[in-house]
Amino acid sequence: QLQLQESGPGLVKPSETLSLTCTVSGGSISSRTYYWGWVRQPPGKGLEWIGIMYYSGSTYYNPSLKSRVTLSLDTSKNQFSLRLKSVTGADTAVYYCARTGLGVGTAVVDPWGQGTLVTVSS
Amino acid sequence: QSALTQPASVSGSPGQSITISCTGTSSDVGGYNYVSWYQQHPGKAPKLMIYDVSNRPSGVSNRFSGSKSGNTASLTISGLQAEDEADYYCSSYTSISTLGVFGGGTKLTVL
Repeated sequence: QLQLQESGPGLVKPSETLSLTCTVSGGSISSRTYYWGWVRQPPGKGLEWIGIMYYSGSTYYNPSLKSRVTLSLDTSKNQFSLRLKSVTGADTAVYYCARTGLGVGTAVVDPWGQGTLVTVSS
Repeated sequence: QSALTQPASVSGSPGQSITISCTGTSSDVGGYNYVSWYQQHPGKAPKLMIYDVSNRPSGVSNRFSGSKSGNTASLTISGLQAEDEADYYCSSYTSISTLGVFGGGTKLTVL
């Protein structure tokens, strides 16, 4: 059974860089079938795509975040990562890693990690 | 792109049926049969309940069903149970973006 687990600091200072890692177990991120991505959810609000990444390194970002986001993956560790620079309070959210597809496949997100709350505050 | 439109809240009594709507445009919900629904309990990750408009993943109760008409997709939950109380989100493929689009979410209260 595929499982995803986020890890990283729960508190980030304004203007600094948020860094999270997702560790995948029960399956390989080198799969040619799926993409791996990040979704965030500000407290009390809805879901927002951050971006997705393919094992080959292809990435697709939310245009509203594109200038600040970098996704990467480490196939040797079966992990993929998120870096979001120049954070502000508006970036405070629960960050989820998840498996998805491309194109029509992005409508299906399954499974999800348990999520990790990242608070941006000095 | 704009989120899909969902009612903020719906409610129903145990045993009843409720329907949650998800309205988009011809560029997403109306144009393609790639709508998914997610259930999210407080403090938990979303869980896929319906994909491709009306398909249930293995393990999801058949009390959950999906449909679509025009630019509006719907999630129906029959035989409401207390455990169904949660937030529900729809998602759709959209032709105007590489990434899918989510609805704003609907809070289901079981009275």
